[in-house]
Amino acid sequence: ETGVTQTPRHLVMGMTNKKSLKCEQHLGHNAMYWYKQSAKKPLELMFVYNFKEQTENNSVPSRFSPECPNSSHLFLHLHTLQPEDSALYLCASSPDRTSGANVLTFGAGSRLTVL
Amino acid sequence: GQSLEQPSEVTAVEGAIVQINCTYQTSGFYGLSWYQQHDGGAPTFLSYNALDGLEETGRFSSFLSRSDSYGYLLLQELQMKDSASYFCAVRDGAGGGADGLTFGKGTHLIIQP
Repeated sequence: ETGVTQTPRHLVMGMTNKKSLKCEQHLGHNAMYWYKQSAKKPLELMFVYNFKEQTENNSVPSRFSPECPNSSHLFLHLHTLQPEDSALYLCASSPDRTSGANVLTFGAGSRLTVL
Repeated sequence: GQSLEQPSEVTAVEGAIVQINCTYQTSGFYGLSWYQQHDGGAPTFLSYNALDGLEETGRFSSFLSRSDSYGYLLLQELQMKDSASYFCAVRDGAGGGADGLTFGKGTHLIIQP
């Protein structure tokens, strides 16, 4: 247990479904992130939140919708996804979004399969 | 934009020393980090260099040369449990001095008995 908890760990959904991924951190960190990890590709930064305000959207399609109600919780809402969106979605947190941003604590990830 | 290059796979023998290199291209630079990820697991932080030189943490050391845009991770006294993927990552501060890390594709380290 890293202090960052992601649910569900595995998710299978059809292209017309709507689902959400949840992330919770118990570290008192102020910045939270969503990363996508696909086979044979580097981790791709998707969204950054600092003190629950979105500070970066890395050109992510609108079918991915993040939500950060407070500094401890982060959601990724999914709708009308494509098969190529199948990947491991990793949540991470850091003490802040400046010098502390070099040390990320990751959750175990949510393995998403889109049929 | 930014890019990082690291070997896709390295093989070494248990008890030996291995070096994983990383070169990067960024518009700004706020540090080079290293992460370890076992199959099916989450990436975990290993080491961070903001300035030139060597940082040592137990069996692992990390080196940075900002003038060469180059760094490496050195693993000593290799153990079978060190078999994993290793990622270098940079923070280029494009988002006003902050925001997320950009990762390399990772080096798969195979340890042979």
